[in-house]
Amino acid sequence: AQKVTQAQTEISVVEKEDVTLDCVYETRDTTYYLFWYKQPPSGELVFLIRRNSFDEQNEISGRYSWNFQKSTSSFNFTITASQVVDSAVYFCALSERGNNNDMRFGAGTRLTVKP
Amino acid sequence: DAGVIQSPRHEVTEMGQEVTLRCKPISGHDYLFWYRQTMMRGLELLIYFNNNVPIDDSGMPEDRFSAKMPNASFSTLKIQPSEPRDSAVYFCASSSGLAGPREDTQYFGPGTRLTVL
Repeated sequence: AQKVTQAQTEISVVEKEDVTLDCVYETRDTTYYLFWYKQPPSGELVFLIRRNSFDEQNEISGRYSWNFQKSTSSFNFTITASQVVDSAVYFCALSERGNNNDMRFGAGTRLTVKP
Repeated sequence: DAGVIQSPRHEVTEMGQEVTLRCKPISGHDYLFWYRQTMMRGLELLIYFNNNVPIDDSGMPEDRFSAKMPNASFSTLKIQPSEPRDSAVYFCASSSGLAGPREDTQYFGPGTRLTVL
């Protein structure tokens, strides 16, 4: 069965610091999809990125970047020059093509950015 | 475009009462998902629909839970009778499924925070 591990339960940084959120996954499928979602204090889940297993190219979007490495089954998320508004819980998720649409979420990492 | 709409945003009820949560998916999306989020279990998929038909309800905790999707723009999740352990945030999400349900991205509603006293 698929599994997503976010070992960092909570991270606290000071504004303008860079921070990396780790995500390690387990799957037996060769085709799968990885996601990151953000859950700010207001509670909604906001989609950040989707990556399929055949695309290992790293992604950069503004201050956000993602490092996908199949060799280590990791899909890490880095925020550069963090801001207070980045404070949220961040979830990594995995869905397998062969699994009946069951998207599994990690436990989440709570990021606090202090001014 | 409007995102996924859920109502109510907050619901407080007493044990034994019936609770109905509502969801309107993004227009044109063929897949609709119901999730539950608790501190203990995190985010769990309860059930999902494709073209209004329930496909997988293996995540529904027990017979007290039921979900329907009478048309493409509306779904309900009902708990009858409710119990304190049902207290959680319930999310609805939808996806277009253009490239298959797992390829496509699920967009989440704001959630319904349910408290059962």
